[in-house]
Amino acid sequence: AQSVAQPEDQVNVAEGNPLTVKCTYSVSGNPYLFWYVQYPNRGLQFLLKYITGDNLVKGSYGFEAEFNKSQTSFHLKKPSALVSDSALYFCAVRVKAAGNKLTFGGGTRVLVKP
Amino acid sequence: GAVVSQHPSWVICKSGTSVKIECRSLDFQATTMFWYRQFPKQSLMLMATSNEGSKATYEQGVEKDKFLINHASLTLSTLTVTSAHPEDSSFYICSARDSGAGQPNQPQHFGDGTRLSIL
Repeated sequence: AQSVAQPEDQVNVAEGNPLTVKCTYSVSGNPYLFWYVQYPNRGLQFLLKYITGDNLVKGSYGFEAEFNKSQTSFHLKKPSALVSDSALYFCAVRVKAAGNKLTFGGGTRVLVKP
Repeated sequence: GAVVSQHPSWVICKSGTSVKIECRSLDFQATTMFWYRQFPKQSLMLMATSNEGSKATYEQGVEKDKFLINHASLTLSTLTVTSAHPEDSSFYICSARDSGAGQPNQPQHFGDGTRLSIL
């Protein structure tokens, strides 16, 4: 069975500082990895994905993520956080062999302080 | 970009009422749509996969007769919570993937969710 772990329930960072949200996964087969962001009372917005190719993936709003196969990680990063980045972030994995179902991590709440 | 519209965004109703939630893909076709449930401060739990023109596939523990899913067209799926009770109160989110994109690795696009409150 596939699973996703986001070890931090909450990440606090000062505006302008680098932001990292951690994600590790466990799958059988080649993973498709995704990051989504959720604002209060809203659905999820797609940020970026890793399918194949370069391990460093660039996405929306200045976010990027690095796929590390040996560490089975897919950490989300932003060089300089904004207050408006405060939200709930979800890492997700999908494996073709598992019926292409998307499995989510527990979510990490990011709070960017001015 | 791909847009998924979910309606209504908020429902408050009495216990015993049936509630229908609509999910539409506005600018793409989706042979498959997904229904999730999210409890406060928790992750999304997949309830069922909606398949256009055929029966939905429900996850283990989800009552088929309680949560009726219909996917009558390539752009519309509905979830009906039948005889809703307070324990059905939750945030329901639908999602769809562009079936016309030609790539199985396309991201899922999500609606804005429906907050259901049963009194």
